[in-house]
Amino acid sequence: AQSVTQLGSHVSVSEGALVLLRCNYSSSVPPYLFWYVQYPNQGLQLLLKYTTGATLVKGINGFEAEFKKSETSFHLTKPSAHMSDAAEYFCAVSTSYGKLTFGQGTILTVHP
Amino acid sequence: GAGVSQTPSNKVTEKGKYVELRCDPISGHTALYWYRQSLGQGPEFLIYFQGTGAADDSGLPNDRFFAVRPEGSVSTLKIQRTERGDSAVYLCASSLGLAMDTQYFGPGTRLTVL
Repeated sequence: AQSVTQLGSHVSVSEGALVLLRCNYSSSVPPYLFWYVQYPNQGLQLLLKYTTGATLVKGINGFEAEFKKSETSFHLTKPSAHMSDAAEYFCAVSTSYGKLTFGQGTILTVHP
Repeated sequence: GAGVSQTPSNKVTEKGKYVELRCDPISGHTALYWYRQSLGQGPEFLIYFQGTGAADDSGLPNDRFFAVRPEGSVSTLKIQRTERGDSAVYLCASSLGLAMDTQYFGPGTRLTVL
């Protein structure tokens, strides 16, 4: 069975500061890992995903994440936060046929 | 191209009533998933279709919930004898069907049971 833990339900940063959203997973098989973003009153949008190969994955809007098998982590980072990054972020792990197990989400607030 | 669409966007019903929620996936996507998102939570898996068949319905909470996809495209999630605890946003996603494939989500249907 898979599970995902997102540390910190709320993260607040200043505009221009580093964004770090934490995700740890548990999986009995090699995982596929995803980060989705949800803006208010909108659907989930894929930011990036790890399948195989390079463990540092780059996504849209300047976000990236690094798969660390030894730490069972897939933390999301962005060097410089922008006001438009304010949203809720979900980490997810996939099973062999694509069923996603999501974390509880982290709400990112960006202060001017 | 067109994304995943869901209708209605909002549904308010009374306890005990029957509701149907519709999902229209991206054309050519063989896999279709339903999830439920309660307030303050991440989406939770309900059911997965590959083509016309429900390949995994282990997430359906009880036998009041049922979903169909008769022609391998549009899917309908059906809830009988609705309860206040069924209130949530119901999300539909579609993909090409492999675990590594991106799931594209619709905007969701917000169900409120009074």
